[in-house]
Amino acid sequence: KNEVEQSPQNLTAQEGEFITINCSYSVGISALHWLQQHPGGGIVSLFMLSSGKKKHGRLIATINIQEKHSSLHITASHPRDSAVYICAVTRRNTGNQFYFGTGTSLTVIP
Amino acid sequence: DVKVTQSSRYLVKRTGEKVFLECVQDMDHENMFWYRQDPGLGLRLIYFSYDVKMKEKGDIPEGYSVSREKKERFSLILESASTNQTSMYLCASSLTGGYEKLFFGSGTQLSVL
Repeated sequence: KNEVEQSPQNLTAQEGEFITINCSYSVGISALHWLQQHPGGGIVSLFMLSSGKKKHGRLIATINIQEKHSSLHITASHPRDSAVYICAVTRRNTGNQFYFGTGTSLTVIP
Repeated sequence: DVKVTQSSRYLVKRTGEKVFLECVQDMDHENMFWYRQDPGLGLRLIYFSYDVKMKEKGDIPEGYSVSREKKERFSLILESASTNQTSMYLCASSLTGGYEKLFFGSGTQLSVL
């Protein structure tokens, strides 16, 4: 069983919709990361968080440590948001390694 | 910004060839990683290194080896390429600590024919 589970696997939305991608994990963590990968492109870090909420532009990431759950929200979605979004964690006491979800493929239709 | 550079964006090799994938980072990061990414399987760790000349096996090390002679450079070696090693290979680096970002290279799409 993967330590990091994401849902949904695939998501199609109309431009302007509010989008939520979920991530659940089963281990104690030092930090949770949200990453973005555009088609044919490299992976970039969007957020790193260990508690609460972070916001960057139209993207918001939240984490609930007690429930071992994080969400990535995109407000007023745009076709350029189309990408794969990947959740990853660094485990407590093994801070050198990252553990990844299998990703959520988002397509935003104009 | 941290830059992680992979030597090739696309590579086509023949079965049985020895393949070298090179990765260089410019921010003095202790940790470097090699992942492969396949559809539906996500990112899988092949090897990582937390210091010069140090290496640790990841989840799928079979058929691969690595070399880290200098802190900034981490090489992945396919000793005898096989068709099931056709994949996207991603190098990444980070500082040590557990609360550090991971920085990725742009990836190498390797096709083994």
